[in-house]
Amino acid sequence: KQEVTQIPAALSVPEGENLVLNCSFTDSAIYNLQWFRQDPGKGLTSLLLIQSSQREQTSGRLNASLDKSSGRSTLYIAASQPGDSATYLCAFISSGSARQLTFGSGTQLTVLP
Amino acid sequence: DAGVTQSPTHLIKTRGQQVTLRCSPKSGHDTVSWYQQALGQGPQFIFQYYEEEERQRGNFPDRFSGHQFPNYSSELNVNALLLGDSALYLCASSLYGGITEAFFGQGTRLTVV
Repeated sequence: KQEVTQIPAALSVPEGENLVLNCSFTDSAIYNLQWFRQDPGKGLTSLLLIQSSQREQTSGRLNASLDKSSGRSTLYIAASQPGDSATYLCAFISSGSARQLTFGSGTQLTVLP
Repeated sequence: DAGVTQSPTHLIKTRGQQVTLRCSPKSGHDTVSWYQQALGQGPQFIFQYYEEEERQRGNFPDRFSGHQFPNYSSELNVNALLLGDSALYLCASSLYGGITEAFFGQGTRLTVV
């Protein structure tokens, strides 16, 4: 069974810090990996999508990297702001026959003003 | 573009009842997937519809069923509700094949009492 682990489960940082969220997965044969943001009780907002042929993607203050050989992805958030407070989820689609997203449990981020 | 829309937003049902949740995908998308998210957990895949057929199914009982209409919108039906079915139900739309980004709706919060 493919698994996704996100560490840490929770993180609290002062405003302005740069931070890294980690995601590890057991299936190296991934098709793509996607990072999401979820505000309490809300749906998921797509942040970044990395195709299997790519190593990283950037959007504004966010940068996501993918290392299939080690089964890891990281989400880097630069100059964090209180508005970044949310749960961040990573998910992948296997390059096998399954086309569903397999999610981690997320990292709950709190940015203190 | 209205994005992915789900209805209703919140729902309270009694154990043993049946419920129907609805989803309209993002314009241009042809595939709808449904996920169940328990509190504090990542979303779990229920099933995926493409061309009005169920294409993939996660580890959920037959009480969970679905439908996709010619306009690509979809319904999730749950029969004989259990207390454990209380969760946030999320709909995701994408293009078939899993190559592109998946976009999620705001979810339906189902409470079974």
